[in-house]
Amino acid sequence: SQQGEEDPQALSIQEGENATMNCSYKTSINNLQWYRQNSGRGLVHLILIRSNEREKHSGRLRVTLDTSKKSSSLLITASRAADTASYFCATDNSARQLTFGSGTQLTVLP
Amino acid sequence: EAGVAQSPRYKIIEKRQSVAFWCNPISGHATLYWYQQILGQGPKLLIQFQNNGVVDDSQLPKDRFSAERLKGVDSTLKIQPAKLEDSAVYLCASSLGVSSNTQYFGPGTRLTVL
Repeated sequence: SQQGEEDPQALSIQEGENATMNCSYKTSINNLQWYRQNSGRGLVHLILIRSNEREKHSGRLRVTLDTSKKSSSLLITASRAADTASYFCATDNSARQLTFGSGTQLTVLP
Repeated sequence: EAGVAQSPRYKIIEKRQSVAFWCNPISGHATLYWYQQILGQGPKLLIQFQNNGVVDDSQLPKDRFSAERLKGVDSTLKIQPAKLEDSAVYLCASSLGVSSNTQYFGPGTRLTVL
C-alpha cells in the first residue's frame, strides 16, 4: 500500500508562478524525500529532509516537514516549462526502503 | 559517471508468456532495488538486494516473479507466466548502501501484457 498521498493529484500553472505540492504519510519515518519523474523516464532525486528538520532549501525548491501532522510540502518557485513532470514524495525506513505516494502531475504552461 | 542501465526499454508479450528484465546499477553501489510502477501510481518496491543477498522480497509475487543478483552487480527480474495485471513500468534503482538514503533510478522497462 502507498505510504504517502500527494495533493493535488494534478496541478497546472503558468510559467513564473510558484507550485506547491503536499504529501501526507501514515507511519513514523526516518527521512522524507521528493523525486521527480519526467514522462517515460526514471525518477530523479530532488531533496531529502530528515525527520528532525523542519525546512530545507535547494535552489528553487523548498521543502517543509511537520512530523506532528505527518505531512510535507514541496514548493517550486518561479516555475519553468521544464519543471513539467510528476512529483512523488517517498518515506524511507531504517532498511533504506522507499515507500512512494501516488504523485502530483505538474504542468507548467509557457 | 554512468547511470543505472536497464534493458529492454519496451516489451510487449501475450499473457502466460515469460519475460526477463536486466539492470546494471551504478558502479560501486551495493544496494539494488526493483520497483513496479502501474500507470498513475507511484513505484512499489518488489525486492531489495544488498550485494548478492536478498534483504527484502516480501512484496514480490513469488509464484510468478523471480529475481537474482548472482555476482552482486547486474540483476535480472523474471516474470513467468505473465498476467494482464503485470502491465507496468519496471524500475531498477541502486544506492551506495546502508550509509546512503538516495536512490538512483534507471529509465525503466515498460511491459505490456496482451
